[in-house]
Amino acid sequence: SSELTQDPAVSVALGQTVRITCQGDSLRSFYASWYQQKPRQAPVLVIYSKNNRPSGIPDRFSGSSSGNTASLTITGAQAEDEADYYCDSRDINGNYRVFGGGTKLTVL
Amino acid sequence: QVQLQESGPGLVKPSGTLSLTCAVSGGSISSSNWWSWVRQPPGKGLEWIGEIYHSGSTNYNPSLKSRLTISVDKSKNQFSLKLSSVTAADTAVYYCARDRVGVAGPFSYWYFDLWGLGTLVTVSS
Repeated sequence: SSELTQDPAVSVALGQTVRITCQGDSLRSFYASWYQQKPRQAPVLVIYSKNNRPSGIPDRFSGSSSGNTASLTITGAQAEDEADYYCDSRDINGNYRVFGGGTKLTVL
Repeated sequence: QVQLQESGPGLVKPSGTLSLTCAVSGGSISSSNWWSWVRQPPGKGLEWIGEIYHSGSTNYNPSLKSRLTISVDKSKNQFSLKLSSVTAADTAVYYCARDRVGVAGPFSYWYFDLWGLGTLVTVSS
């Protein structure tokens, strides 16, 4: 079982806003990072350090964190945002990394 | 820019040892980064395997620790993974990744900012 919990699947209408969440006790001490993965491709970092976007990631992607929950928000979802999204952080003691189980985002 | 490239056998026999190497190009493995291995079984999620610093310090996934060795070769600018006593459950795409760390107030944060393309390793006789 994962120490970070994500909803398995979420859907959003084209152009609407969607929030993907990640829950875990370690998120009270460590910020989550978020990755987008499309079929047969390596994951791509979209958010790190709570709400920082790497160069090249559209500003419709944003992150937030409160208590034991981290969130990835896509404001104005596009068809190309359909993908699997994973959160990642350390375990509660900081000894190793953990991934959430992933959320499959469908853009309708 | 820095690039990562995994290499190694695509087929390993059950009970054998899976060995992979990640070559770092365009930058030094001795820079202030950790370097990780991540795997993804077919149709499943990501699983962190372990990480190494250029000094040789390592951290491993507790579920794999008894079978796992990660090492670094600074002269070749690469790091490697050895996983022993493999079974079909170890069949996966294996990725290497650069691991960054920072501090923001009371929080620490870690993230993989660079990934290799991944290599499929199948465990089968």
